[in-house]
Amino acid sequence: GEDVEQSLFLSVREGDSSVINCTYTDSSSTYLYWYKQEPGAGLQLLTYIFSNMDMKQDQRLTVLLNKKDKHLSLRIADTQTGDSAIYFCAERRNKLVFGAGTILRVKS
Amino acid sequence: DTEVTQTPKHLVMGMTNKKSLKCEQHMGHRAMYWYKQKAKKPPELMFVYSYEKLSINESVPSRFSPECPNSSLLNLHLHALQPEDSALYLCASSQVGVENTEAFFGQGTRLTVV
Repeated sequence: GEDVEQSLFLSVREGDSSVINCTYTDSSSTYLYWYKQEPGAGLQLLTYIFSNMDMKQDQRLTVLLNKKDKHLSLRIADTQTGDSAIYFCAERRNKLVFGAGTILRVKS
Repeated sequence: DTEVTQTPKHLVMGMTNKKSLKCEQHMGHRAMYWYKQKAKKPPELMFVYSYEKLSINESVPSRFSPECPNSSLLNLHLHALQPEDSALYLCASSQVGVENTEAFFGQGTRLTVV
């Protein structure tokens, strides 16, 4: 994806926390999103954060936003094998711009 | 109902065929989108419809022809495709506007061009 960067791969053990990082470039983006895509499936919106927030927590998911550094992260607590998927961060300009996606592999 | 339904789920077509992909939502969303996704790549925007009018065409070849017959339906007509057009085609919908509008995605149509 243009101007939205993510690390490509993350491997964790079941029960550990996962942290997926993303950097973006458009400081005018008002909302930033995390999508999950399981193999062969469409995209599922996991969570989003408004740019005037630093943190948002939703059950096992915690989103941190550092607007100064244009850095977004998604923390998944107590990672399960069902969390194995590709995770895309996205920013909204006049369209959604996606990062390249991070493959999360959870080892049991 | 927060579903975006795409049909068919899988499609195999020859380079001389004409086929159509369909997308339907009943969330009252007036923005609908077509994305193309190649394996292990992020989705790439193709078209955006806003209030049933084409508002964005990301320089997509004319062998892809979108149509929005009403506020709930979005079609993508395919003609004379190439093997490199094989991909997952995703439909999405959202409320209209630049401010936060959650985009809901369908499960996609996996297209193979032979």
